[in-house]
Amino acid sequence: EAGVTQSPTHLIKTRGQQATLRCSPISGHTSVYWYQQALGLGLQFLLWYDEGEERNRGNFPPRFSGRQFPNYSSELNVNALELEDSALYLCASSSLDRAYGYTFGSGTRLTVV
Amino acid sequence: DQQVKQNSPSLSVQEGRISILNCDYTNSMFDYFLWYKKYPAEGPTFLISISSIKDKNEDGRFTVFLNKSAKHLSLHIVPSQPGDSAVYFCAASHGSSNTGKLIFGQGTTLQVKP
Repeated sequence: EAGVTQSPTHLIKTRGQQATLRCSPISGHTSVYWYQQALGLGLQFLLWYDEGEERNRGNFPPRFSGRQFPNYSSELNVNALELEDSALYLCASSSLDRAYGYTFGSGTRLTVV
Repeated sequence: DQQVKQNSPSLSVQEGRISILNCDYTNSMFDYFLWYKKYPAEGPTFLISISSIKDKNEDGRFTVFLNKSAKHLSLHIVPSQPGDSAVYFCAASHGSSNTGKLIFGQGTTLQVKP
């Protein structure tokens, strides 16, 4: 079974630019979650998508947004990048009946310079 | 507001001995708790979980204990192996609210010395 895949693995952007991160969930999983792990910090909840709808978002500004496609893959977009957006962005997926049995991808390391 | 706290940033134990990782939470509405392990350059992997209706759950070398009155959980690894060296995160959820959200602690880096 293929795991959760994220692309790209590394991304370097300039302050003010936009970043797009992609995630493909495990086959059969309808929920996708995005987390941010800044250096030295724990995982901070960003967004939850299920069945194409945004179900919940964490305490992040609106320039963090995303979407889920009909095939359940997902994009995270970060607009007007700031230096403090530099972090590891992790995507996880689950089936609704195991809502807390997240399977994580390896993450995208975003560096804003 | 850090609702889930892992107060020990790091822990070092000898191979074969017990590793005890601790986690405290503040929200009494949390009813499901999980531990994840993370190696560098990889995503966290699920290790073990416990529902609030239990006080202990065991899976091989890993046991999680939950003390609801103290709002405290711990992960015991016995015996510890060098391959267990990783960052361990505890996480909590409020299942009935169906937010889909896990609240993670800051992580504890475990080093198991051969």
